[in-house]
Amino acid sequence: DAGVIQSPRHEVTEMGQEVTLRCKPISGHNSLFWYRQTMMRGLELLIYFNNNVPIDDSGMPEDRFSAKMPNASFSTLKIQPSEPRDSAVYFCASRSGRTINEQFFGPGTRLTVL
Amino acid sequence: AQKITQTQPGMFVQEKEAVTLDCTYDTSDQSYGLFWYKQPSSGEMIFLIYQGSYDEQNATEGRYSLNFQKARKSANLVISASQLGDSAMYFCAMNPESNRLAFGKGNQVVVIP
Repeated sequence: DAGVIQSPRHEVTEMGQEVTLRCKPISGHNSLFWYRQTMMRGLELLIYFNNNVPIDDSGMPEDRFSAKMPNASFSTLKIQPSEPRDSAVYFCASRSGRTINEQFFGPGTRLTVL
Repeated sequence: AQKITQTQPGMFVQEKEAVTLDCTYDTSDQSYGLFWYKQPSSGEMIFLIYQGSYDEQNATEGRYSLNFQKARKSANLVISASQLGDSAMYFCAMNPESNRLAFGKGNQVVVIP
């Protein structure tokens, strides 16, 4: 099993540019989560999907952030336009519908906005 | 809103000793799950152990055990026989009925030989 796959692993961009982060959940998992981790705020849940449907996006900071899950094997988190305060590590995680237990995390994308 | 509290400062622990990481939580939900994750310096989040709020026995996974005291709303992680590879940040998390997994700020553990 390949685990949760995220790309890119590192992204450096300039303020104002569009950034797209990608995630491939574990095959067969039907819940997908996007998190952001910063020193100041720790780990924050941004949005999560169940069966490709966004269930709770109350953690999305503002309209500059959007997330989609067009199918069970792919999700994107887009920031447009990006700002320096968006610099963080963004994690994607997935969970099997057969258990309410652990979420499996991807390796994260380290985003730096200059 | 759910709140997870991890207040211990960075901890140094001698190799082969046990270490306890404190975690308290606040929720009005009747059903919830408690988790511990490990984040080494490489950055990945590694699931360690899970405890359900209705589980009567404390969870154990190898060298990890969870000291669950429901009335006190605490879910402390015990790592026995520490190894150098245990050096990492450790996060306590709670999954309430809303499914919004909430994380604590983490505990830094450094294992010294």
